[in-house]
Amino acid sequence: DSGVTQTPKHLITATGQRVTLRCSPRSGDLSVYWYQQSLDQGLQFLIQYYNGEERAKGNILERFSAQQFPDLHSELNLSSLELGDSALYFCASSVAGAHDEQFFGPGTRLTVL
Amino acid sequence: QKEVEQDPGPLSVPEGAIVSLNCTYSNSAFQYFMWYRQYSRKGPELLMYTYSSGNKEDGRFTAQVDKSSKYISLFIRDSQPSDSATYLCAMVEFYSGGSNYKLTFGKGTLLTVNP
Repeated sequence: DSGVTQTPKHLITATGQRVTLRCSPRSGDLSVYWYQQSLDQGLQFLIQYYNGEERAKGNILERFSAQQFPDLHSELNLSSLELGDSALYFCASSVAGAHDEQFFGPGTRLTVL
Repeated sequence: QKEVEQDPGPLSVPEGAIVSLNCTYSNSAFQYFMWYRQYSRKGPELLMYTYSSGNKEDGRFTAQVDKSSKYISLFIRDSQPSDSATYLCAMVEFYSGGSNYKLTFGKGTLLTVNP
């Protein structure tokens, strides 16, 4: 158990809908990272937040957004969902930045029908 | 050409074998190299990381980086059935004085170690 929690474990929704994925980092970690993992694209870095501020952006679509709250939990919002958004979404946390070891949560499996 | 290429396998070896997992990359600005292990239905976990060319050893695992050839490897000695997992390489390019970065993963190699 990495200490990172993600909810929900599974999510099934329809095209065009909007969903919110939630992540609680390990105690003491200030950074939260979001990743998307699919069979064709592999693991892709989406975005990092550090202590409430966006720190780095990867391949995140404009339809996706994230935020980190004062209690350091984070949410990833996915809107106007498409079939191709079906994937595993992982959250990870680290003490500070990209040089630090990241601890991954168990993931949220999103299925868009 | 993708920035990071990794043979997806699958790779199947007998217990006790030496395993070699490899990634090539095209971006010479990558400075930080990592290997992650991902068990089925779990999140990835960091195995090893290195900044420099050369070898870094940790128990049965050795990470090797050759920046001149843009090639990194992970060697597993005396492989065990518990090593059966997907192994992902990852690379980081830092810019803007280190305040920003680009993180890229390989697609992963599925390894099975047979008892």
